[in-house]
Amino acid sequence: GEDVEQSLFLSVREGDSSVINCTYTDSSSTYLYWYKQEPGAGLQLLTYIFSNMDMKQDQRLTVLLNKKDKHLSLRIADTQTGDSAIYFCAEKGLGSYIPTFGRGTSLIVHP
Amino acid sequence: EAGVAQSPRYKIIEKRQSVAFWCNPISGHATLYWYQQILGQGPKLLIQFQNNGVVDDSQLPKDRFSAERLKGVDSTLKIQPAKLEDSAVYLCASSLRFAGGPKGTQYFGPGTRLLVL
Repeated sequence: GEDVEQSLFLSVREGDSSVINCTYTDSSSTYLYWYKQEPGAGLQLLTYIFSNMDMKQDQRLTVLLNKKDKHLSLRIADTQTGDSAIYFCAEKGLGSYIPTFGRGTSLIVHP
Repeated sequence: EAGVAQSPRYKIIEKRQSVAFWCNPISGHATLYWYQQILGQGPKLLIQFQNNGVVDDSQLPKDRFSAERLKGVDSTLKIQPAKLEDSAVYLCASSLRFAGGPKGTQYFGPGTRLLVL
């Protein structure tokens, strides 16, 4: 089946930018998602991007999509301690209505 | 707008016991999903409903898991009997409709954390 890969951990200093990367194998991906999961909580949809877009910006969040390399990234500007969470990348292929999730990247923000 | 509600939030049971989880989706959302999230992994789809009908239950271990959405709104997921490997977070999600575009975007509840001893 299709696969979504993410690095497991990222540690950044408060105030710096965080970049969380994701690669996927499905060449027919149509929508790509970023979800945030805080301790003890469900997945919160942060943003999504359609595959014909290269970039999407929403306040402190910037999503970059390189469709040729099947690479998606999420940049968080001015990272705060409240951004500490697990971030999941997910993608939907053409004709598929169920997203495939990565294993999540744990973002640790330290003072 | 109220989000997806789930209960209980936590459950501890012994193996071979039964357990049930409840989910109330966002009002007006036709599609409801149950996911299993094992520690350190992404969510895995167990079953998907469109209104009160099952769309996909191919990943549901039917010898022990069952789910229903009788009136097309609330849903329950049951495990009987539970095994140690069922320890996980059970997430319910809903979407406006079963679609590939924005209307198919899934919104998740807080999850039920199950520990089987």
